Amino acid sequence: EVQLLESGGGLVQPGGSLRLSCAASGFTFSNYAMNWVRQSPGKGLEWVSVISGSGGNTYYADSAKGRFTISRDNSKNTLYLQMNSLRAEDTAIYFCAKVSLPAAIHDALDIWGHGTMVTVSS
Amino acid sequence: DIQVTQSPSSLSASVGDRVTISCQASQDISKYLNWYRQKPGKAPELLIYDASNLHTGVPSRFRGSGSGTHFTFTISSLQPEDIATYYCQQYYHLPYTFGLGTKLEIK
Repeated sequence: EVQLLESGGGLVQPGGSLRLSCAASGFTFSNYAMNWVRQSPGKGLEWVSVISGSGGNTYYADSAKGRFTISRDNSKNTLYLQMNSLRAEDTAIYFCAKVSLPAAIHDALDIWGHGTMVTVSS
Repeated sequence: DIQVTQSPSSLSASVGDRVTISCQASQDISKYLNWYRQKPGKAPELLIYDASNLHTGVPSRFRGSGSGTHFTFTISSLQPEDIATYYCQQYYHLPYTFGLGTKLEIK
């Protein structure tokens, strides 16, 4: 069964850092680009970042540029999101999501994890 | 950024009704629009990709259409398990953007 499992969320003070992880199973992880998408409490979905299957290409939303870093370890089938200089407006559930087609970067998101909650507050 | 305007923001309908949601992009995005369903407390699920293609395992009562700037999502016969919020998403150009969602309720 194809599965994504996020971890690493929690409560952090403004200006602090957090690293999210997304453990993948049930598919050839290195063949697929992966995304992070977030959802603020009671709000809609906001795309954050995408990384290619090899890890060689990364893209970010303006809200994440310069503060967040997406990466992956294909030997561990794990996706990461390093978040620095966190702000109150970064408070959200963070989902990792797999693209549908192998080798594609820009594609529909066909499998999502359950999400991990990040709360930025003093 | 490409803006995606989704309407209505909420909708109440009866079981068996036909339900339609619209999504308008601020520029031509060809076919590069997807539809997702998010049930309360759950992760989003892909329903329709590339405007009109039904994702694997999705019931045939769900349908998508459109291209360019105007897109439509239809549930032909509303079922109780369709209570959810529905989102459209463009991936024609980064950053990918989502509509604000349509919250669907059963009358």
